Amino acid sequence: EAQVTQNPRYLITVTGKKLTVTCSQNMNHEYMSWYRQDPGLGLRQIYYSMNVEVTDKGDVPEGYKVSRKEKRNFPLILESPSPNQTSLYFCASRNRGQPQHFGDGTRLSIL
Amino acid sequence: GESVGLHLPTLSVQEGDNSIINCAYSNSASDYFIWYKQESGKGPQFIIDIRSNMDKRQGQRVTVLLNKTVKHLSLQIAATQPGDSAVYFCAEISVYNFNKFYFGSGTKLNVKP
Repeated sequence: EAQVTQNPRYLITVTGKKLTVTCSQNMNHEYMSWYRQDPGLGLRQIYYSMNVEVTDKGDVPEGYKVSRKEKRNFPLILESPSPNQTSLYFCASRNRGQPQHFGDGTRLSIL
Repeated sequence: GESVGLHLPTLSVQEGDNSIINCAYSNSASDYFIWYKQESGKGPQFIIDIRSNMDKRQGQRVTVLLNKTVKHLSLQIAATQPGDSAVYFCAEISVYNFNKFYFGSGTKLNVKP
């Protein structure tokens, strides 16, 4: 089954404790993105990747890092999480000119 | 930057009626538009898309209309069913950067049985 898989689905952690949210897709898609979703603001793009070792900032990249060492994986790294990063996060993948496929989301709570 | 918005944050319809969800966009350079459906606890799911060289596209029970003159996009759902209850987003992609998607905040559709 074609899918985008995020882990963990839920995480409660504390300020400053580094965390990584993994994202994996099995569709051989070139493009992958991370979004955060906050009430009233819609989905906002954090980072995106056009292929292995090619990444670029989206609209809200501050406080986040990403890497794309393999085509299928695109982890999101919070080196020093802060409470304003409490949000619902989505990973997505697609091929050029095609709509995105989204994962089911990761709800992060940073205390 | 670009902005994508929705006219109605909540829409309630009777089962069997047709639904129309609207979206206004601000970037006249946008080339590609997508409607997504998001059910509770899940990620957005692709419904239908349309490119700027078209003004209408039909899918199964759904139709997207694009009016570039007034920068308006709409999603029409025929014979709305309880399973259509969800939040619907429009997204636009600029011709200058196909990697950046801009999403509206969403409209919640409630289908009353």
